[in-house]
Amino acid sequence: DSGVTQTPKHLITATGQRVTLRCSPRSGDLSVYWYQQSLDQGLQFLIQYYNGEERAKGNILERFSAQQFPDLHSELNLSSLELGDSALYFCASGPGTSGGNTDTQYFGPGTRLTVL
Amino acid sequence: DQQVKQNSPSLSVQEGRISILNCDYTNSMFDYFLWYKKYPAEGPTFLISISSIKDKNEDGRFTVFLNKSAKHLSLHIVPSQPGDSAVYFCAASPTYGGSNYKLTFGKGTLLTVNP
Repeated sequence: DSGVTQTPKHLITATGQRVTLRCSPRSGDLSVYWYQQSLDQGLQFLIQYYNGEERAKGNILERFSAQQFPDLHSELNLSSLELGDSALYFCASGPGTSGGNTDTQYFGPGTRLTVL
Repeated sequence: DQQVKQNSPSLSVQEGRISILNCDYTNSMFDYFLWYKKYPAEGPTFLISISSIKDKNEDGRFTVFLNKSAKHLSLHIVPSQPGDSAVYFCAASPTYGGSNYKLTFGKGTLLTVNP
């Protein structure tokens, strides 16, 4: 158990809908990262938050957005869903130590999103 | 453009033998490298990491080797056990400064350890 929790485990929805995925980081971790894993693309970095602020952006679509709340949990919002958005969405957390390059990321179990 | 490549989609070894998983990268800005293990229906689990100032890091049965000039790293598992059967991901990160640690992952290698 990594200490990172994600809800829900599974989500089935229709095209055009909007969903929210939730992540609670490990106790004490300030950074939250979101990744998408689809069958053909592997694990793709979407976005990082550090202590409530957006810190880095990857291949995140404009239809997707995220935020990190004062209690450090994070939500990933996916809107106008398309069939191709079906994937596993992972959240990871790390201490986010400033400086250096040793922020090991610990992953949650993921949310499996199916868009029908 | 894949910046982190794991060219072997799968590897099969006998229990007790050495497993060697390879990873190549193209981005010279990468200076921190990690290996993750993933079982089906679970998130990736951190295994071992190495900073670019080292060429080897050991943790029990797991050793990671880094060849910066070749932009190549490898994970050695000795001895291999059936419980090591999983998908192994190589990941890399540059140092942007501050607290930005975006990871770029390879596509993974499925390791099967046969009893």
